[in-house]
Amino acid sequence: GAVVSQHPSWVICKSGTSVKIECRSLDFQATTMFWYRQFPKQSLMLMATSNEGSKATYEQGVEKDKFLINHASLTLSTLTVTSAHPEDSSFYICSASQGQGALGGELFFGEGSRLTVL
Amino acid sequence: AQRVTQPEKLLSVFKGAPVELKCNYSYSGSPELFWYVQYSRQRLQLLLRHISRESIKGFTADLNKGETSFHLKKPFAQEEDSAMYYCALKSKGNTPLVFGKGTRLSVIA
Repeated sequence: GAVVSQHPSWVICKSGTSVKIECRSLDFQATTMFWYRQFPKQSLMLMATSNEGSKATYEQGVEKDKFLINHASLTLSTLTVTSAHPEDSSFYICSASQGQGALGGELFFGEGSRLTVL
Repeated sequence: AQRVTQPEKLLSVFKGAPVELKCNYSYSGSPELFWYVQYSRQRLQLLLRHISRESIKGFTADLNKGETSFHLKKPFAQEEDSAMYYCALKSKGNTPLVFGKGTRLSVIA
């Protein structure tokens, strides 16, 4: 199957700083990537849809100025948590679709990035 | 609105016993249904999807449109099946998955 890679897998930062998380599709092109957030022992909540070459679409309740998404190429989307606060501590997961065809509709997930804000 | 309900947070079964993880959905069109599994300290991975109608690791799931259900079943649970299982739904095309809250399966030796 297709591979999606996230970096860093774990980051600790001070309150007020910004953190960038990268999501790469390693062996396929992804015009669309999705960013999820997962709190401990809870389900994945969709934050935003990242579209290559255009603005991201954010879910209701997600601050676009807080969570900046950039999808500059067909293999890379970045999520920047700006002015991070302890309540932003969470597990952030990206996913991408290989598109249509035999695997159309299947989403492949990154390994996730655990953010801890002190 | 799209919604996926997994009523059980935790399901414990003995090794060799049958397993059924429940999933109900709410969707106005024709959804695509999936089961994803997350083993300890690993990423989410696809277990099966209703379109392919295949059996993976002995698990099967049948889409019941009348009952809007997509329950996951396995006749004989194994210890290595212990994991978090998520039922998910999406509409056709390049759209995101909507996840249920997940069920943690614990298989006891």
